[in-house]
Amino acid sequence: QKEVEQDPGPLSVPEGAIVSLNCTYSNSAFQYFMWYRQYSRKGPELLMYTYSSGNKEDGRFTAQVDKSSKYISLFIRDSQPSDSATYLCAMSGRGNNRLAFGKGNQVVVIP
Amino acid sequence: DAMVIQNPRYQVTQFGKPVTLSCSQTLNHNVMYWYQQKSSQAPKLLFHYYDKDFNNEADTPDNFQSRRPNTSFCFLDIRSPGLGDAAMYLCATSRDFVDRGAPGANVLTFGAGSRLTVL
Repeated sequence: QKEVEQDPGPLSVPEGAIVSLNCTYSNSAFQYFMWYRQYSRKGPELLMYTYSSGNKEDGRFTAQVDKSSKYISLFIRDSQPSDSATYLCAMSGRGNNRLAFGKGNQVVVIP
Repeated sequence: DAMVIQNPRYQVTQFGKPVTLSCSQTLNHNVMYWYQQKSSQAPKLLFHYYDKDFNNEADTPDNFQSRRPNTSFCFLDIRSPGLGDAAMYLCATSRDFVDRGAPGANVLTFGAGSRLTVL
């Protein structure tokens, strides 16, 4: 079983829709949870950063962490064409910064 | 703006011909990382530097080497590129390798990447 599972299947949504992305993981030692956004031919940029369980909101973006289920989610409200990108989940434990990445979800928001 | 800059953005080389990719940072971060990312795959950590201390991942091939001559610069050397080494190479930095009570110190900032093609 991979440390982090993220269904890489492309996701197409109409503009204004809610985008829902998720990752599952197997390592109970993970404490830090991140979502990175990667535009085509660019490096990943940090979108959301969460320590331990709970919800975090930043504008149209909400990150949720459920450590009991080993499940994290990213929601994008009122999606815009500029949100079209690949979204990577990443996580690490307290003792080191060896991030475990998911494969990424390609999201296309259609105007 | 403080940032992580990678050069070249695109590199084409021949099978077996050595390649060097560079990374510079103006963030004054202690830690620099090199990741390999193949199409539709998760980034894979090759190695990292904590200051001058080099840390190789166990499964990184010997073909990949790195140098960090000073805080700002880090290089990735691929001694004899094979077809399987064609990928995007991402440089990243962070203030620290762990949290140590400073929230966000372990967050990575990535460069735009160097895409390597091997003919």
